[in-house]
Amino acid sequence: QVQLQESGPGLVKPSETLSLTCTVSGGSISSYYWSWIRQPAGKGLEWIGRIYTSGSTNYNPSLKSRVTMSVDTSKNQFSLKLSSVTAADTAVYYCARGMIVAVGDAFDIWGQGTMVTVSS
Amino acid sequence: DIQMTQSPSSVSASVGDRVTITCRASQGISSWLAWYQQKPGKAPKLLIYAASSLQSGVPSRFSGSGSGTDFTLTISSLQPEDFATYYCQQANSFPETFGQGTRLEIK
Repeated sequence: QVQLQESGPGLVKPSETLSLTCTVSGGSISSYYWSWIRQPAGKGLEWIGRIYTSGSTNYNPSLKSRVTMSVDTSKNQFSLKLSSVTAADTAVYYCARGMIVAVGDAFDIWGQGTMVTVSS
Repeated sequence: DIQMTQSPSSVSASVGDRVTITCRASQGISSWLAWYQQKPGKAPKLLIYAASSLQSGVPSRFSGSGSGTDFTLTISSLQPEDFATYYCQQANSFPETFGQGTRLEIK
């Protein structure tokens, strides 16, 4: 079955760029939307954005100026870059597969999540 | 952005109880609502999509209903493994937004 695994640094300095990669195994990355979602400790879920395998993206306007997503179909991977991070970006970051139900998605497969702390 | 408001924020119940969680959208979202279950330290798990469609592999004691702005998730007979936090999420428009969560605790 399809599995997702996030990878990347667990500690990022303020003002620097957070970079994460999600590897898709057990299935093809093609023909799906792939999202990033984050969750600060003890808080709710925030959708960051999504990318289609064509490279088409949709970003949360609250983060749009700082977010870049990319996809590498040859490696079955997609990536997130979040620039100019602050302590407010400290969270568990999840990658997830979108099951398109409308304009948006229901997220049917999730990675286990990776904790990213922003601190000097 | 569409605001999603869940009630209650927390609820205590016993094994075997019937529990209902409500989610209200700040504007109409047709039937484009999903429900998730999250246990501590784990990723959310999709339970219901399109307001009432049960995700494959999810027990039939979970059901969803509603359309427009008001939605409910019902667990017909609580099992020990159901104690968790539940989130609703709208997929009607961008940005996709989640409710603040409902924590279901053991009484």
